[in-house]
Amino acid sequence: GAVVSQHPSRVICKSGTSVKIECRSLDFQATTMFWYRQFPKQSLMLMATSNEGSKATYEQGVEKDKFLINHASLTLSTLTVTSAHPEDSSFYICSAPSGETQYFGPGTRLLVL
Amino acid sequence: EDQVTQSPEALRLQEGESSSLNCSYTVSGLRGLFWYRQDPGKGPEFLFTLYSAGEEKEKERLKATLTKKESFLHITAPKPEDSATYLCAVQGSYNFNKFYFGSGTKLNVKP
Repeated sequence: GAVVSQHPSRVICKSGTSVKIECRSLDFQATTMFWYRQFPKQSLMLMATSNEGSKATYEQGVEKDKFLINHASLTLSTLTVTSAHPEDSSFYICSAPSGETQYFGPGTRLLVL
Repeated sequence: EDQVTQSPEALRLQEGESSSLNCSYTVSGLRGLFWYRQDPGKGPEFLFTLYSAGEEKEKERLKATLTKKESFLHITAPKPEDSATYLCAVQGSYNFNKFYFGSGTKLNVKP
């Protein structure tokens, strides 16, 4: 199957700082990528759809100024958590479609102190 | 509103004890139903896609089936390495980029 990578896998930061997470499709191109958030023992919550060459589409309740998304190329999307606070601590996962299927990255664990 | 419900929330099995996981869904025009496996601290790993009622797919000890209202993931003679959370997701025809996920079934297989 298709491979999606994320970097970093784990990040710890101080409250008020910004954190950038990268999502790459390694062996295929993706004009669209998706960013999810997952709280402990809960399922994936779609945050936004990243579109190459245009603005991201955010789900209801997700602050676009806090979670900045840039789809720089056909293989790279970045999620920047700006002015992070402890409540932003979570597991962030990206995905990209290949054919009819979504393939997921390994996730990034963010801890804001 | 598109919705996915998985049951049970958690399932404990003895090694070799077969069982089934359920995924009930409501969607405006099903484009596809997907099963994923997720290990702790990792992203979901793709298992199966089902497109129409009556369709079945198999992979090793896993078999997925689909009806018009639900899907089952049958696990035959499970092994401890099958322990994981199994997620179900549906894709509708009207917004085919969006996946609706269930809350998952956490499977624990004891040796």
